[in-house]
Amino acid sequence: AQRVTQPEKLLSVFKGAPVELKCNYSYSGSPELFWYVQYSRQRLQLLLRHISRESIKGFTADLNKGETSFHLKKPFAQEEDSAMYYCALDAGGTSYGKLTFGQGTILTVHP
Amino acid sequence: SAVISQKPSRDICQRGTSLTIQCQVDSQVTMMFWYRQQPGQSLTLIATANQGSEATYESGFVIDKFPISRPNLTFSTLTVSNMSPEDSSIYLCSVGAVRGDTEAFFGQGTRLTVV
Repeated sequence: AQRVTQPEKLLSVFKGAPVELKCNYSYSGSPELFWYVQYSRQRLQLLLRHISRESIKGFTADLNKGETSFHLKKPFAQEEDSAMYYCALDAGGTSYGKLTFGQGTILTVHP
Repeated sequence: SAVISQKPSRDICQRGTSLTIQCQVDSQVTMMFWYRQQPGQSLTLIATANQGSEATYESGFVIDKFPISRPNLTFSTLTVSNMSPEDSSIYLCSVGAVRGDTEAFFGQGTRLTVV
C-alpha cells in the first residue's frame, strides 16, 4: 500500500526567508504527486502537481524518484503563504483518482 | 473546473442518530470520493461513489456504517449511521482527478460533532 509522509507538522519562517515543506512517499509503481493547500476558512485546493512542472505562486516541487521525495519549495516566503499544506499521491491503475494524503504541514510566515 | 456544494457545513448530533451529507457538483463527473478528516489527522478515503453501481469502500469502512448513494452524475450522499463521538470529524466530498487533465476538487466539508 502507498504511504505519504510529511515529517513536519508545524513550520514557521519569517517573510522573505526560503521555505521547504518535505514530503516522502512509498509506492512501488509510478505515482502522481500533488501538493494541496488549504487557506484559512477556504476549501482544499490544488497548488501544483509534478507532471505539469509549473511554478504556482512562486512554489515549485520536483519529484525525486531515487529519494521518493516531492518537497515543496519557495525561495522567498510571503505572509499570504500561511496555510495548511498537504502532499498527496495518486497510485493510478485501478486506484486511479483516489488520493493518499500526508499528515499535513501548517506553514506560518511571520512578518 | 468543478464547483462542489456540500451541506450541511456543520452539525451537532446526538449519539445513536444518523446524518446524511449531500454533495452537488455543477458538472457531470464519473467518480466522486468521500474522505474523513479526524481531529488532528490527515484525510482518509472512505469510499468511491460510482454512478450506477455500489460504492467501493476502503479498508476499515463498511456500507452499514457509511451508506452512500449516487443517483446521477452530479450528486451523491454519505450517511453516517448510528453515530458515536468517535465519528466526530470533517467529512469531505471530492471529484477525482483525471490523469494529466484535471485536478481534484473538494467541497467545503461538513464538520460533524457527535455528543
